[in-house]
Amino acid sequence: ETGVTQTPRHLVMGMTNKKSLKCEQHLGHNAMYWYKQSAKKPLELMFVYSLEERVENNSVPSRFSPECPNSSHLFLHLHTLQPEDSALYLCASSQVGPEAYNEQFFGPGTRLTVL
Amino acid sequence: GQNIDQPTEMTATEGAIVQINCTYQTSGFNGLFWYQQHAGEAPTFLSYNVLDGLEEKGRFSSFLSRSKGYSYLLLKELQMKDSASYLCAVVDSNYQLIWGAGTKLIIKP
Repeated sequence: ETGVTQTPRHLVMGMTNKKSLKCEQHLGHNAMYWYKQSAKKPLELMFVYSLEERVENNSVPSRFSPECPNSSHLFLHLHTLQPEDSALYLCASSQVGPEAYNEQFFGPGTRLTVL
Repeated sequence: GQNIDQPTEMTATEGAIVQINCTYQTSGFNGLFWYQQHAGEAPTFLSYNVLDGLEEKGRFSSFLSRSKGYSYLLLKELQMKDSASYLCAVVDSNYQLIWGAGTKLIIKP
């Protein structure tokens, strides 16, 4: 138990569906992240929110839409996905700032399958 | 561009020692992490190095040479539960983590 929870753990959706992934951190951190993990590839950083402001989106397709209503919650809204979007989506949080070194704490991930 | 290299897969025997190497080329350096990830689970923190040298933590040790852009993770007295992927990640000049693809470690009895 890392203090970061994600729901759902597994999701199967069609290409025309709309769904949302949820992440919650109970660590009092000020930054949250969405990563995509595909087999045998490095973790791909999708979005970063620091102090509730999005600071980077790394050219992620617009069919992925993040939302960060407060420092403890992070959502990833999905619509009209493609089969190649099937992957493990990981949420992480960290404390950033002068005295922190950005150790990231990960949630268990959502295994997404797009049919 | 930024690049982290680590072997894709390694095999070792229970009770033995294994060294997993990581080389990096990044824009700036503000530390290096090693994470462990069991299949189907989240990555979990193992170690952090920002200065050259060896950091020991129980059966696991991590080494860093900043001049060579090189780190290794040393696992001693291997146990079956050490079968996992080991991820190397470097903190760049923007304090973002750049991740390697991970090394899958297979432990055999």
